[in-house]
Amino acid sequence: IAGITQAPTSQILAAGRRMTLRCTQDMRHNAMYWYRQDLGLGLRLIHYSNTAGTTGKGEVPDGYSVSRANTDDFPLTLASAVPSQTSVYFCASSVTGVNEQFFGPGTRLTVL
Amino acid sequence: AQSVTQLGSHVSVSEGALVLLRCNYSSSVPPYLFWYVQYPNQGLQLLLKYTTGATLVKGINGFEAEFKKSETSFHLTKPSAHMSDAAEYFCAVVRSGGSYIPTFGRGTSLIVHP
Repeated sequence: IAGITQAPTSQILAAGRRMTLRCTQDMRHNAMYWYRQDLGLGLRLIHYSNTAGTTGKGEVPDGYSVSRANTDDFPLTLASAVPSQTSVYFCASSVTGVNEQFFGPGTRLTVL
Repeated sequence: AQSVTQLGSHVSVSEGALVLLRCNYSSSVPPYLFWYVQYPNQGLQLLLKYTTGATLVKGINGFEAEFKKSETSFHLTKPSAHMSDAAEYFCAVVRSGGSYIPTFGRGTSLIVHP
């Protein structure tokens, strides 16, 4: 059982390029989340999805988009990357919104 | 709106000493409360959670936390620190009702000295 996986593990990206971070879970969880983690700022929610077919904006959604076409996958897209999007990105899932979250190993993204 | 405040970005203790990591929240409705731990270069893992019922919650690795509604607090404690407890700890809140959007504190780095 893999749980929740993220790809790539790390990436260096030129500013202005488009990038999609992948997230897949095999636990059949309804809810999925994307966070960014920056030193001193903790985890900030970018987007979330309470169930397949629905998405919502978190605290810092600007410059990011998501889709939830099925239960397992929740990709995060940066349409035109900027240096301020340099961060570690974590995907998480939970059975429902009030249950504990299971986190992926993270993607370290550097935008130059 | 809800918010989470973790007092102290860094807490330093000696091995064997009491660990106390503070978490205060604001929520207009009864919350669901969580503590997560993050070891270097890893994702977060659940330590313990409070949903309903007993206000003293026991988690993994000897940690426990007490939900105090009157103080809007959910402090994390461990009687005796171990070197392996050195990590980043996050408190999180989810409001009951509504869209169930989670809010995380900024984290507290626990440093354990031999």
